[in-house]
Amino acid sequence: QVQLVQSGAEVKKPGASVKVSCKASGYSFSNYGINWVRQAPGQGLEWLGWISAYNGNTNYAQKLQGRVTFTTHTSTRTAYMELRSLLSDDTAVYYCARELSYGDPFDFWGQGTLVTVSS
Amino acid sequence: EIVLTQSPGTLSLSPGERATFSCRASQSVSSSSLAWYQQKPGQAPRLLIYGASSRATGIPDRFRGSGSGTDFTLTISRLEPEDFAVYYCQHYGSSPPAFTFGPGTKVDFK
Repeated sequence: QVQLVQSGAEVKKPGASVKVSCKASGYSFSNYGINWVRQAPGQGLEWLGWISAYNGNTNYAQKLQGRVTFTTHTSTRTAYMELRSLLSDDTAVYYCARELSYGDPFDFWGQGTLVTVSS
Repeated sequence: EIVLTQSPGTLSLSPGERATFSCRASQSVSSSSLAWYQQKPGQAPRLLIYGASSRATGIPDRFRGSGSGTDFTLTISRLEPEDFAVYYCQHYGSSPPAFTFGPGTKVDFK
């Protein structure tokens, strides 16, 4: 069955960087893009961007442009999100999610990774 | 950029009642580009509806999506205890893939 398993919770200081991983199983990794979504405590869902697991093409949400980088490692079936210059406002649960098909909604989600930014 | 508005913010209902959620887009969107998700506390969202009216795999038929243009609706015909959650609408496009979520509607017990 399809599974996305994310790395564990992180605590970072303002200005630091964090890298969250998302390991996929149960499907052909290169055939589906991965999206990243975050949810601040008590808030709604915010889409951060998309990466093609086929060719590494990306589309980042405007808000995080320049601070975030998505990568994939096909041999290990793992997607990564790196967020730099962390702010307290970046405190959130970060999810990876597989697209149903190219550009389509997300049919499978990781369990979420809590990133806490605090001095 | 398309902005999605959801109303109401909270719905207070009882099991067995009908729930109706509204999602309004800031400009007309294709019906094939609107989805609905359910999220329970401490869990990742779950895809319910895509293409405005197509149920995702495993979603019971008490969930129905409809609408076009700027106004879309998710209806739960008879609320089950497990349906008390937050519901989000989402607009999506594919050139390149880009997504926007609405702010969500919470269903709680009356």
